Amino acid sequence: NAGVTQTPKFQVLKTGQSMTLQCAQDMNHEYMSWYRQDPGMGLRLIHYSVGAGITDQGEVPNGYNVSRSTTEDFPLRLLSAAPSQTSVYFCASSTRQGIGGYTFGSGTRLTVV
Amino acid sequence: AQTVTQSQPEMSVQEAETVTLSCTYDTSESDYYLFWYKQPPSRQMILVIRQEAYKQQNATENRFSVNFQKAAKSFSLKISDSQLGDAAMYFCAYRIQGAQKLVFGQGTRLTINP
Repeated sequence: NAGVTQTPKFQVLKTGQSMTLQCAQDMNHEYMSWYRQDPGMGLRLIHYSVGAGITDQGEVPNGYNVSRSTTEDFPLRLLSAAPSQTSVYFCASSTRQGIGGYTFGSGTRLTVV
Repeated sequence: AQTVTQSQPEMSVQEAETVTLSCTYDTSESDYYLFWYKQPPSRQMILVIRQEAYKQQNATENRFSVNFQKAAKSFSLKISDSQLGDAAMYFCAYRIQGAQKLVFGQGTRLTINP
């Protein structure tokens, strides 16, 4: 049982480049989310999905796109990387009821230079 | 808007002693869940303990327990018999029952002194 798998673990981008962070879960969870973690600010929600074909914006969506074509996969796209997007990114999944909390991937440390 | 506040950016404790991390939250909802997550240097987010708001009994998981005060909107984490492996960032989080969003506090960095 792999849980939530995130790739890559580390990435360095140049300003203006684009890339996709991959996220897959094998627990048949309806809900999936992307968070970014910055020092002193906890985790902030970027985008989320409540099921295949349904996505919505979180607190800090600017500069990011998502799609959810299957229950398992929820990729995050950086359209034109900026230094302000330097952060640690987490993908997470959960059942609809939420009583078990979210299961998190291992995170991606992204640096934009 | 729901908010979660952790007023202690850093805490330290001697090994084998007990430490309490504070968390308060703001909500107008009656049905929700509260969580404590641990983030060690490995960066992995690990669920430590959870509490359903409708339960009056405080949750416990081995050396970890909570003091849930619903009227005061307080949810503190007590770690007994602290171990070196408990050193980590600890995040308090809140989620409305059936809703998608998990709201995090800013975190408390816990150091264990040998």
